Amino acid sequence: EAQVTQNPRYLITVTGKKLTVTCSQNMNHEYMSWYRQDPGLGLRQIYYSMNVEVTDKGDVPEGYKVSRKEKRNFPLILESPSPNQTSLYFCASSLHQQGVRASLTFGAGSRLTVL
Amino acid sequence: AQKITQTQPGMFVQEKEAVTLDCTYDTSDQSYGLFWYKQPSSGEMIFLIYQGSYDEQNATEGRYSLNFQKARKSANLVISASQLGDSAMYFCAMREVRGDSNYQLIWGAGTKLIIKP
Repeated sequence: EAQVTQNPRYLITVTGKKLTVTCSQNMNHEYMSWYRQDPGLGLRQIYYSMNVEVTDKGDVPEGYKVSRKEKRNFPLILESPSPNQTSLYFCASSLHQQGVRASLTFGAGSRLTVL
Repeated sequence: AQKITQTQPGMFVQEKEAVTLDCTYDTSDQSYGLFWYKQPSSGEMIFLIYQGSYDEQNATEGRYSLNFQKARKSANLVISASQLGDSAMYFCAMREVRGDSNYQLIWGAGTKLIIKP
Protein backbone atom coordinates (compact mmCIF):
# COMPACT_ATOMS: atom_id res chain seq x y z
CA GLU A 1 0.00 0.00 0.00
CA ALA A 2 1.32 3.43 -0.99
CA GLN A 3 1.77 5.44 2.15
CA VAL A 4 3.72 7.88 4.28
CA THR A 5 4.57 6.52 7.71
CA GLN A 6 5.35 8.76 10.66
CA ASN A 7 6.54 7.76 14.10
CA PRO A 8 5.81 8.31 16.87
CA ARG A 9 2.14 9.17 16.51
CA TYR A 10 2.00 10.64 20.00
CA LEU A 11 4.80 11.96 22.16
CA ILE A 12 5.01 13.88 25.40
CA THR A 13 8.45 15.19 26.22
CA VAL A 14 10.14 17.84 28.33
CA THR A 15 11.85 21.05 27.35
CA GLY A 16 15.35 20.52 26.01
CA LYS A 17 15.21 16.78 25.44
CA LYS A 18 16.21 16.08 21.84
CA LEU A 19 13.75 14.11 19.79
CA THR A 20 13.34 12.83 16.24
CA VAL A 21 10.13 12.22 14.36
CA THR A 22 10.70 9.75 11.57
CA CYS A 23 9.01 9.85 8.17
CA SER A 24 9.21 7.23 5.47
CA GLN A 25 7.43 6.93 2.12
CA ASN A 26 7.25 3.96 -0.24
CA MET A 27 6.15 5.75 -3.41
CA ASN A 28 9.57 6.80 -4.72
CA HIS A 29 8.56 10.45 -4.35
CA GLU A 30 11.25 13.08 -4.83
CA TYR A 31 9.53 15.85 -2.89
CA MET A 32 9.01 15.59 0.86
CA SER A 33 7.92 18.20 3.35
CA TRP A 34 7.16 18.73 7.01
CA TYR A 35 4.22 20.83 8.21
CA ARG A 36 2.94 21.79 11.60
CA GLN A 37 -0.71 22.38 12.28
CA ASP A 38 -1.91 24.75 14.98
CA PRO A 39 -5.52 25.77 15.66
CA GLY A 40 -6.69 28.65 13.45
CA LEU A 41 -3.45 28.73 11.49
CA GLY A 42 -3.90 25.89 9.04
CA LEU A 43 -0.73 24.05 8.08
CA ARG A 44 2.61 25.80 7.90
CA GLN A 45 5.64 24.40 6.15
CA ILE A 46 8.72 23.75 8.30
CA TYR A 47 11.21 22.25 5.84
CA TYR A 48 11.09 20.61 2.47
CA SER A 49 13.32 18.45 0.33
CA MET A 50 13.42 18.27 -3.44
CA ASN A 51 15.51 15.12 -3.50
CA VAL A 52 18.30 13.29 -1.67
CA GLU A 53 20.72 15.69 0.03
CA VAL A 54 18.62 18.69 -1.05
CA THR A 55 16.72 20.39 1.76
CA ASP A 56 15.56 23.92 2.40
CA LYS A 57 13.63 26.02 4.89
CA GLY A 58 9.92 26.57 4.73
CA ASP A 59 8.04 29.30 6.55
CA VAL A 60 8.68 28.23 10.16
CA PRO A 61 12.06 26.44 10.34
CA GLU A 62 13.30 27.84 13.66
CA GLY A 63 14.05 25.13 16.18
CA TYR A 64 13.95 22.28 13.66
CA LYS A 65 16.44 20.34 11.56
CA VAL A 66 15.97 17.78 8.82
CA SER A 67 18.07 15.46 6.74
CA ARG A 68 17.52 13.54 3.52
CA LYS A 69 20.17 10.86 3.21
CA GLU A 70 17.87 8.42 1.45
CA LYS A 71 15.01 9.10 -0.90
CA ARG A 72 12.41 7.38 1.24
CA ASN A 73 13.27 8.95 4.63
CA PHE A 74 12.94 12.52 5.86
CA PRO A 75 13.28 12.76 9.65
CA LEU A 76 12.41 15.90 11.61
CA ILE A 77 14.76 16.69 14.47
CA LEU A 78 14.02 18.93 17.43
CA GLU A 79 17.40 19.51 19.03
CA SER A 80 16.07 21.34 22.09
CA PRO A 81 12.27 21.28 22.10
CA SER A 82 10.35 24.12 23.69
CA PRO A 83 6.66 24.38 24.67
CA ASN A 84 5.89 26.52 21.61
CA GLN A 85 6.71 23.48 19.49
CA THR A 86 3.72 21.66 20.92
CA SER A 87 1.75 20.94 17.78
CA LEU A 88 0.45 18.36 15.31
CA TYR A 89 3.12 17.51 12.76
CA PHE A 90 2.60 16.12 9.30
CA CYS A 91 5.05 14.65 6.87
CA ALA A 92 4.00 14.65 3.23
CA SER A 93 5.41 13.65 -0.13
CA SER A 94 4.70 14.01 -3.84
CA LEU A 95 6.19 13.46 -7.24
CA HIS A 96 8.33 16.49 -7.96
CA GLN A 97 7.98 16.51 -11.71
CA GLN A 98 4.24 17.04 -11.42
CA GLY A 99 4.99 20.47 -10.00
CA VAL A 100 1.92 22.46 -9.00
CA ARG A 101 -0.33 19.60 -10.13
CA ALA A 102 0.98 17.13 -7.59
CA SER A 103 -1.25 16.36 -4.64
CA LEU A 104 0.59 15.67 -1.42
CA THR A 105 0.23 12.32 0.31
CA PHE A 106 0.25 12.83 4.06
CA GLY A 107 1.33 10.74 6.96
CA ALA A 108 -1.14 10.15 9.78
CA GLY A 109 0.34 12.95 11.87
CA SER A 110 2.43 13.10 15.03
CA ARG A 111 1.01 14.89 18.04
CA LEU A 112 3.83 16.35 20.08
CA THR A 113 3.50 17.91 23.53
CA VAL A 114 6.48 19.66 25.08
CA LEU A 115 6.16 20.31 28.82
CA ALA B 1 -1.77 39.21 3.36
CA GLN B 2 -3.71 35.97 3.41
CA LYS B 3 -3.12 33.94 0.29
CA ILE B 4 -5.92 31.47 1.00
CA THR B 5 -9.08 32.67 2.73
CA GLN B 6 -11.81 30.43 4.04
CA THR B 7 -14.45 32.73 5.46
CA GLN B 8 -16.59 30.08 7.15
CA PRO B 9 -15.00 28.89 10.41
CA GLY B 10 -17.88 26.46 10.94
CA MET B 11 -21.03 25.23 9.25
CA PHE B 12 -24.00 23.09 10.22
CA VAL B 13 -25.80 21.32 7.40
CA GLN B 14 -28.73 18.91 7.38
CA GLU B 15 -27.94 15.41 6.15
CA LYS B 16 -28.65 14.88 2.44
CA GLU B 17 -28.42 18.59 1.66
CA ALA B 18 -25.75 20.01 -0.62
CA VAL B 19 -23.11 22.21 0.97
CA THR B 20 -20.72 24.77 -0.45
CA LEU B 21 -17.47 25.59 1.32
CA ASP B 22 -15.93 28.88 0.27
CA CYS B 23 -12.33 29.48 -0.68
CA THR B 24 -10.69 32.52 -2.23
CA TYR B 25 -7.04 32.74 -3.12
CA ASP B 26 -4.47 35.30 -4.06
CA THR B 27 -1.62 34.74 -6.48
CA SER B 28 0.10 36.52 -9.32
CA ASP B 29 1.30 33.23 -10.84
CA GLN B 30 -0.30 31.94 -14.02
CA SER B 31 0.35 28.32 -13.13
CA TYR B 32 -0.97 27.03 -9.84
CA GLY B 33 -2.96 24.19 -8.42
CA LEU B 34 -5.91 24.31 -6.04
CA PHE B 35 -6.66 21.46 -3.67
CA TRP B 36 -9.21 20.52 -1.09
CA TYR B 37 -8.35 18.23 1.80
CA LYS B 38 -10.57 16.69 4.44
CA GLN B 39 -9.40 16.18 8.01
CA PRO B 40 -11.72 13.97 10.10
CA SER B 41 -11.52 13.98 13.88
CA SER B 42 -8.99 11.15 13.67
CA GLY B 43 -6.53 13.70 12.31
CA GLU B 44 -5.35 12.37 8.96
CA MET B 45 -5.35 14.59 5.87
CA ILE B 46 -7.32 13.16 2.97
CA PHE B 47 -6.98 14.57 -0.53
CA LEU B 48 -10.39 15.25 -2.09
CA ILE B 49 -10.09 17.15 -5.33
CA TYR B 50 -7.72 19.15 -7.52
CA GLN B 51 -8.20 22.04 -9.96
CA GLY B 52 -5.42 23.33 -12.18
CA SER B 53 -5.26 27.00 -13.09
CA TYR B 54 -5.37 26.14 -16.79
CA ASP B 55 -8.19 23.63 -16.49
CA GLU B 56 -11.26 24.91 -18.30
CA GLN B 57 -13.68 22.44 -16.77
CA ASN B 58 -14.59 22.37 -13.12
CA ALA B 59 -13.15 19.33 -11.39
CA THR B 60 -15.44 16.61 -10.09
CA GLU B 61 -14.73 13.55 -7.95
CA GLY B 62 -17.81 11.58 -7.01
CA ARG B 63 -19.91 13.74 -4.67
CA TYR B 64 -17.26 16.48 -4.67
CA SER B 65 -17.05 19.21 -7.24
CA LEU B 66 -15.02 22.36 -7.37
CA ASN B 67 -16.67 25.59 -8.49
CA PHE B 68 -13.68 27.34 -10.03
CA GLN B 69 -14.09 31.02 -10.90
CA LYS B 70 -10.68 32.14 -12.02
CA ALA B 71 -11.45 35.82 -12.53
CA ARG B 72 -12.85 36.04 -9.02
CA LYS B 73 -10.04 33.85 -7.65
CA SER B 74 -12.42 31.52 -5.95
CA ALA B 75 -12.40 27.73 -5.69
CA ASN B 76 -15.42 26.64 -3.71
CA LEU B 77 -15.94 23.00 -2.78
CA VAL B 78 -19.43 21.63 -3.33
CA ILE B 79 -20.47 18.42 -1.59
CA SER B 80 -23.69 16.99 -2.94
CA ALA B 81 -26.05 14.88 -0.83
CA SER B 82 -24.10 15.29 2.39
CA GLN B 83 -23.61 12.33 4.71
CA LEU B 84 -22.86 12.07 8.42
CA GLY B 85 -19.36 10.90 7.51
CA ASP B 86 -18.70 14.23 5.83
CA SER B 87 -18.41 15.89 9.24
CA ALA B 88 -14.80 17.06 9.37
CA MET B 89 -12.47 20.00 8.91
CA TYR B 90 -12.02 21.00 5.28
CA PHE B 91 -8.97 22.81 4.05
CA CYS B 92 -8.46 24.68 0.82
CA ALA B 93 -4.86 24.86 -0.36
CA MET B 94 -2.94 26.31 -3.27
CA ARG B 95 0.26 24.98 -4.73
CA GLU B 96 2.47 27.45 -6.51
CA VAL B 97 6.15 27.75 -7.27
CA ARG B 98 8.12 29.68 -4.68
CA GLY B 99 11.80 30.37 -4.97
CA ASP B 100 13.81 27.65 -6.65
CA SER B 101 10.88 25.38 -7.50
CA ASN B 102 9.58 24.77 -4.00
CA TYR B 103 6.08 23.69 -4.89
CA GLN B 104 4.79 24.70 -1.54
CA LEU B 105 1.23 24.06 -0.54
CA ILE B 106 -0.27 27.14 1.11
CA TRP B 107 -3.24 26.48 3.36
CA GLY B 108 -6.38 28.20 4.47
CA ALA B 109 -7.43 28.11 8.12
CA GLY B 110 -10.13 25.54 7.43
CA THR B 111 -13.90 25.17 7.78
CA LYS B 112 -15.40 22.83 10.35
CA LEU B 113 -18.40 21.12 8.78
CA ILE B 114 -20.94 19.32 10.94
CA ILE B 115 -23.66 17.27 9.30
CA LYS B 116 -26.85 17.00 11.35
CA PRO B 117 -28.98 13.84 11.12
